[in-house]
Amino acid sequence: GIQVEQSPPDLILQEGANSTLRCNFSDSVNNLQWFHQNPWGQLINLFYIPSGTKQNGRLSATTVATERYSLLYISSSQTTDSGVYFCAVAALNNAGNMLTFGGGTRLMVKP
Amino acid sequence: DGGITQSPKYLFRKEGQNVTLSCEQNLNHDAMYWYRQDPGQGLRLIYYSQIVNDFQKGDIAEGYSVSREKKESFPLTVTSAQKNPTAFYLCASSMVSSYGYTFGSGTRLTVV
Repeated sequence: GIQVEQSPPDLILQEGANSTLRCNFSDSVNNLQWFHQNPWGQLINLFYIPSGTKQNGRLSATTVATERYSLLYISSSQTTDSGVYFCAVAALNNAGNMLTFGGGTRLMVKP
Repeated sequence: DGGITQSPKYLFRKEGQNVTLSCEQNLNHDAMYWYRQDPGQGLRLIYYSQIVNDFQKGDIAEGYSVSREKKESFPLTVTSAQKNPTAFYLCASSMVSSYGYTFGSGTRLTVV
């Protein structure tokens, strides 16, 4: 099946700093989503972005489908950004809409 | 408000028991999914269903069973055959025609 690798696995930032999280995937996809998991375990959908660029406030994401990677940018980080960020994809030949998740990037933003 | 509800939040199971985790959605979504998350790990797919009365195994279906008798409901049973059931279980739903997922808040299952 499709493989999803996220980097870095862990990241510590000072409040106000910017960061870039990366997601590499091993096959063509028709679905790519970024999620944030808060300390209580709730997963929130940040972006649905199988290709192109999107922005939502301090967050933006870019997927270069032909090169099989996606980037999540966090600008002016805040302590509330802490948690785990997951990239998840569905392969192009996937008959359904089942997502395969990467291992996540664990972000801690210090005040 | 529309959403997806999982219950209970915490569940304790004795060895050898079957337990059932509830997942209900009022988003009118066609598809529903169960994922398992172990500490410090990503999510792995257990089962999914795209229509009522039909479901398919995911990557780690052994020791689990599901049913989809109603569009709104997709309960997961963790059977005694599951050797290491302690984990965080997450249910999700989506429209088949639109790919965004909505997740429930999860159930933490512990074997005692």
